[in-house]
Amino acid sequence: EADIYQTPRYLVIGTGKKITLECSQTMGHDKMYWYQQDPGMELHLIHYSYGVNSTEKGDLSSESTVSRIRTEHFPLTLESARPSHTSQYLCASSVGQGDTDTQYFGPGTRLTVL
Amino acid sequence: GQNIDQPTEMTATEGAIVQINCTYQTSGFNGLFWYQQHAGEAPTFLSYNVLDGLEEKGRFSSFLSRSKGYSYLLLKELQMKDSASYLCAVMDSNYQLIWGAGTKLIIKP
Repeated sequence: EADIYQTPRYLVIGTGKKITLECSQTMGHDKMYWYQQDPGMELHLIHYSYGVNSTEKGDLSSESTVSRIRTEHFPLTLESARPSHTSQYLCASSVGQGDTDTQYFGPGTRLTVL
Repeated sequence: GQNIDQPTEMTATEGAIVQINCTYQTSGFNGLFWYQQHAGEAPTFLSYNVLDGLEEKGRFSSFLSRSKGYSYLLLKELQMKDSASYLCAVMDSNYQLIWGAGTKLIIKP
C-alpha cells in the first residue's frame, strides 16, 4: 500500500482566495504529479516534478503553481480561486526509473469554490 | 493526437465474467496500465503490460496486443465490491501517462 497523503480532504472556499493543497509521500519517490479530475472524466495532468527543484507544467493550464523543495513534499497553490477550479485534485508519486513507473495516488482533495 | 478509447459503462452480474476493452493511439508506447477507481476515491493500481500477451493476477487478468493498439481487462467471479470505474492509461514516448475516461462497471446481484 502506497504511503501518500493529501490535506485537506475537502475544502469549500470563496472566490478570490489563495489556497494551498498539500501532498506528502514517505516512499522516497523521485517523481510526483498533480492531476485534476471531474466526475466521470479522465485525469488531466496539471504539474509534475522529476525531483527536488524540478517542476514542469502538464497539459492542463489551471493557473496554479507548485514547488518541490523537499523530496517528500509537493504542494499545489491556487493564487486566486475561481468557481471553474471546483474539482477533485489528485496527487501521485512514482519511483521515476525504468519502464514500470507505476504511479501511486493519494486520497485526493475535493475543492469547491463558491 | 493521442487517444484512449474505453466503453463509458458496462453492466454485469455477480459471479459472472466481464471484459473491459481499451484501444489506444499514442506517440510511442512504454506500457499500459489498468487502475480501479471507486466513486469519490483515488485510482489504485491493478496491472501493467508492456509485452504482448496475458498477465494474470488472481481474479483479474490483463491482455495486450501492441500491433493492434488494444488491451482488455478481464474480471472473473465478479463481486459487488468490483463495482467501480476502470481506467486504462498508456505511457507514451515521453514516459507521460495518457489516461482514458474510464469504464464504469455496474455489478447487479
